[in-house]
Amino acid sequence: DVKVTQSSRYLVKRTGEKVFLECVQDMDHENMFWYRQDPGLGLRLIYFSYDVKMKEKGDIPEGYSVSREKKERFSLILESASTNQTSMYLCASSLRGRKPQHFGDGTRLSIL
Amino acid sequence: GIQVEQSPPDLILQEGANSTLRCNFSDSVNNLQWFHQNPWGQLINLFYIPSGTKQNGRLSATTVATERYSLLYISSSQTTDSGVYFCAVDRGGSNFGNEKLTFGTGTRLTIIP
Repeated sequence: DVKVTQSSRYLVKRTGEKVFLECVQDMDHENMFWYRQDPGLGLRLIYFSYDVKMKEKGDIPEGYSVSREKKERFSLILESASTNQTSMYLCASSLRGRKPQHFGDGTRLSIL
Repeated sequence: GIQVEQSPPDLILQEGANSTLRCNFSDSVNNLQWFHQNPWGQLINLFYIPSGTKQNGRLSATTVATERYSLLYISSSQTTDSGVYFCAVDRGGSNFGNEKLTFGTGTRLTIIP
């Protein structure tokens, strides 16, 4: 089975902090994704990576950056956290070629 | 961008009942997935179904790509079926490896014992 692991299930940070969310997958998938989920808005794509060191902006990239130095790891970075970034963050991975995406358990991030 | 609409937004059923969830999308898609998000927030793959019909136990799904809709059927509902069901489509794109899912806003299913 595909395993996508997110580093934290719950996280509380303060406004202005630099926040790192980590995601690791163990199935040698080329594609990795970061989404955020907010009530009434469903899941929205923040960033997408289709190869090491390659990234593309999703629908809501403002205030976020990403890093993919190794194939199995995709990091989401909040450069200066703000309260409107309080949300559930979900990481996913897939094989190249429009294969199904597999999700981690999510990180509930609160910015105080 | 592509629009994905799910109906109904909420559904409350007695245990043992059957249900049909619908997903409409506004443009041609390459892929479609159905997910179940359980009360703990975990998003579980149900079906990867860009076209045709698939079945997995009490669940089945049908996608009619030419008419831009997909249906998820749940038979003999159990309380563990409760949660939010999402449909998501791949918009495709011109870049190599460009595969991005657009999600609907979900159907919240509550199964009463």
